[in-house]
Amino acid sequence: QKEVEQNSGPLSVPEGAIASLNCTYSDRGSQSFFWYRQYSGKSPELIMSIYSNGDKEDGRFTAQLNKASQYVSLLIRDSQPSDSATYLCAVTGKLIFGQGTELSVKP
Amino acid sequence: SQTIHQWPATLVQPVGSPLSLECTVEGTSNPNLYWYRQAAGRGLQLLFYSVGIGQISSEVPQNLSASRPQDRQFILSSKKLLLSDSGFYLCAWSPLGEQYFGPGTRLTVT
Repeated sequence: QKEVEQNSGPLSVPEGAIASLNCTYSDRGSQSFFWYRQYSGKSPELIMSIYSNGDKEDGRFTAQLNKASQYVSLLIRDSQPSDSATYLCAVTGKLIFGQGTELSVKP
Repeated sequence: SQTIHQWPATLVQPVGSPLSLECTVEGTSNPNLYWYRQAAGRGLQLLFYSVGIGQISSEVPQNLSASRPQDRQFILSSKKLLLSDSGFYLCAWSPLGEQYFGPGTRLTVT
């Protein structure tokens, strides 16, 4: 079992819809969780961090964490074509990255 | 504010040639530093991390090495490149748990 698993996608959503990106992790002791966005040919950019169970909202982005289920998700509301990128989930102790989910937002 | 630099941005090297990639961080002291490689269409592979000058931990034994000669400088090297060394090399720094990435170096080994 991989330490951090994400669906590779591509996930395709129409403009204005909600995009839902999911991530599961294997280490129950993990305390910190991060979402990065990576545009093609560019380096990853940190967009969300979450440390406790529940939801954390920042603009159009909402991160959700459920430690009992070892599950973290990222919701993007009112998706825009500019949101088209690969989204990487990362989990600590030692920061472990998932393979990333490619999101495509169609106009 | 903190800034992380990497150079060169792109590099094309023949098999068997040496490699030196440099990463520097501005605006912080004693950061944790990391080297990652991302092969085409793949995830991030942690290569090395450093918690201080001269302190290097290797995650993947291979023909690469890293050094940290100064507090905010991290260097990735190889004596002889392999075709499989091609990829996108990313340096990152970390104040706490999260990491912030530099712009990366795209290396093509021919």
